[in-house]
Amino acid sequence: QSALTQPASVSGSPGQSITISCTGTSSDVGNYNFVSWYQQHPGKAPKLMIYDVSNRPSGVSNRFSGSKSGNTASLTISGLQAEDEADYYCSSYTSISTWVFGGGTKLTVL
Amino acid sequence: QVQLQESGPGLVKPSQTLSLTCTVSGGSITSGSYYWTWIRQPAGKGLEWIGRFYTSGTTNYNPSLKSRVTISVDASKNQFSLELSSVTAADTAVYYCARGRPFGNWGQGTLVTVSS
Repeated sequence: QSALTQPASVSGSPGQSITISCTGTSSDVGNYNFVSWYQQHPGKAPKLMIYDVSNRPSGVSNRFSGSKSGNTASLTISGLQAEDEADYYCSSYTSISTWVFGGGTKLTVL
Repeated sequence: QVQLQESGPGLVKPSQTLSLTCTVSGGSITSGSYYWTWIRQPAGKGLEWIGRFYTSGTTNYNPSLKSRVTISVDASKNQFSLELSSVTAADTAVYYCARGRPFGNWGQGTLVTVSS
């Protein structure tokens, strides 16, 4: 299985909105609504931010939202804050009953 | 709430077997319908899904690691384990255990270095 494709880096200024894309295939992202997003700060374990494409776990800010179109899922962060600076990973269920991650995107808040 | 903690040797020699344990507290590993998963992350790189154990007894593994991986559960100790055989330097990584689908609960991670 191949890793999902994410941009290596994105950046934005405080208060702005950014979107991170996650491109897979019809064997994963395109065929299942089991896409999730994780935030990881340096030296820390990842934290679930979005699950099942667009659902937020309890306690996650509503500034985080997810969507999907075809084989591409997206994470949007609105009202950027300094604390949002982190690495972000997408993940999807696959047709062979496994999970696959994206390569990760480094978000820089300017 | 449920907490997970990885443990095991931090240094493994090439060609040997890497063995890690994830201890679950705050909930029974056999209650409910949960996936118990291992994920790893080489330094400076992305996350890699290794495999999972479902409470029904089903296991699924990353095809690229399948021939070398075993995930099992010890309900009496409320733990689940990872064994990765014939390790090389490429297996050096932080190893995480996680619960759920999606991965809602994570351990803090443990660094395993493969070196002679």
